[in-house]
Amino acid sequence: GENVEQHPSTLSVQEGDSAVIKCTYSDSASNYFPWYKQELGKRPQLIIDIRSNVGEKKDQRIAVTLNKTAKHFSLHITETQPEDSAVYFCAASIGGGSNYKLTFGKGTLLTVNP
Amino acid sequence: DAGITQSPRHKVTETGTPVTLRCHQTENHRYMYWYRQDPGHGLRLIHYSYGVKDTDKGEVSDGYSVSRSKTEDFLLTLESATSSQTSVYFCAISGRGGSYTFGSGTRLTVV
Repeated sequence: GENVEQHPSTLSVQEGDSAVIKCTYSDSASNYFPWYKQELGKRPQLIIDIRSNVGEKKDQRIAVTLNKTAKHFSLHITETQPEDSAVYFCAASIGGGSNYKLTFGKGTLLTVNP
Repeated sequence: DAGITQSPRHKVTETGTPVTLRCHQTENHRYMYWYRQDPGHGLRLIHYSYGVKDTDKGEVSDGYSVSRSKTEDFLLTLESATSSQTSVYFCAISGRGGSYTFGSGTRLTVV
């Protein structure tokens, strides 16, 4: 089955700096790569996703890049703010329609220091 | 607010007892999932459902069973709870395109 590795497990940055979280996946057939943010005691929530036919996607201060050849994808957060502090999970799936069985990475605890 | 609710939110149970967690959705989505979340392990798939009475195992299914008799309800049962099943359990639904919506989670403690 699919295996997703995520690094680093913890990341501490100063407010205003950039943060980068990296993930690798094992199954070359995977075609959907979402990122979830989980604040303490809350449910994970989707922040951005990318599909295998796209190399990069941006949404305001966050962006995701995908390298299919190397089987890795990354989350980039620019101009970090204290409210960005949370656990971030990457995931990968082979999917279509509504059928997406996600395999998650183990998470990255991001701390943004004021 | 998210169209998916879990019950109970918290539960403490004794080793060896059966426990059932409920997930209820109002979105009429076909696909539903149960994950467990443990420190250092992220989210791991226990079981999933692709329709009424249609379920399949995930990567950590031992000791768990599921049932789906209606589109809106997906039940997770721990047949005989063990301390290793102490965890936070999340239910999720997926709409078209793969975006998951998670429930608020159930914190289960097995003593």
